[in-house]
Amino acid sequence: RKEVEQDPGPFNVPEGATVAFNCTYSNSASQSFFWYRQDCRKEPKLLMSVYSSGNEDGRFTAQLNRASQYISLLIRDSKLSDSATYLCVVNPYTGGFKTIFGAGTRLFVKA
Amino acid sequence: DTGVSQDPRHKITKRGQNVTFRCDPISEHNRLYWYRQTLGQGPEFLTYFQNEAQLEKSRLLSDRFSAERPKGSFSTLEIQRTEQGDSAMYLCASSLGKIEVGDEQFFGPGTRLTVL
Repeated sequence: RKEVEQDPGPFNVPEGATVAFNCTYSNSASQSFFWYRQDCRKEPKLLMSVYSSGNEDGRFTAQLNRASQYISLLIRDSKLSDSATYLCVVNPYTGGFKTIFGAGTRLFVKA
Repeated sequence: DTGVSQDPRHKITKRGQNVTFRCDPISEHNRLYWYRQTLGQGPEFLTYFQNEAQLEKSRLLSDRFSAERPKGSFSTLEIQRTEQGDSAMYLCASSLGKIEVGDEQFFGPGTRLTVL
């Protein structure tokens, strides 16, 4: 089983749609969680951290479910500019700060 | 520009040659990470440094790979006796490293390696 698993997609949605991605992780001791965004041929950039209580940043909402070992990202009112690959990131905390990225979920928002 | 920089941006080499990549992190960042990314995959962890100390190294990293961060500032990644399977984008990232759990990593533009 992979340490971090994501549905690769692609998700094809119209502008204005709401879309949700899930990501599962295998190490129950994992301490920190993030969503990164990667545009084609660019480096990854932090979208948002994921806190235990859940957090929201504008149209983006992230949730953590420790019992089921998954995190989610919800995008409301999708924009064309949201088209990108969304990477789930976990620090499995094996005593250090090794960081594991999922393979990413591709999102295409269409006009 | 005070972001993470990497050099070179592209490297084409023949199988069996050695290559070295450089990463200059954001100046006040203590942690530095190296990743490898292939098409359709997320960045794959290779190793990371806390200041000049290399604290963890992936099992996937064979003996042909070595990384250094001699003064806790820039870092180099060397691949010896390159193989075609080493062709990938090599990404460097840095973070402040001042908190207990993982913090935001800032990525460089990467070095794209092609092994012929």
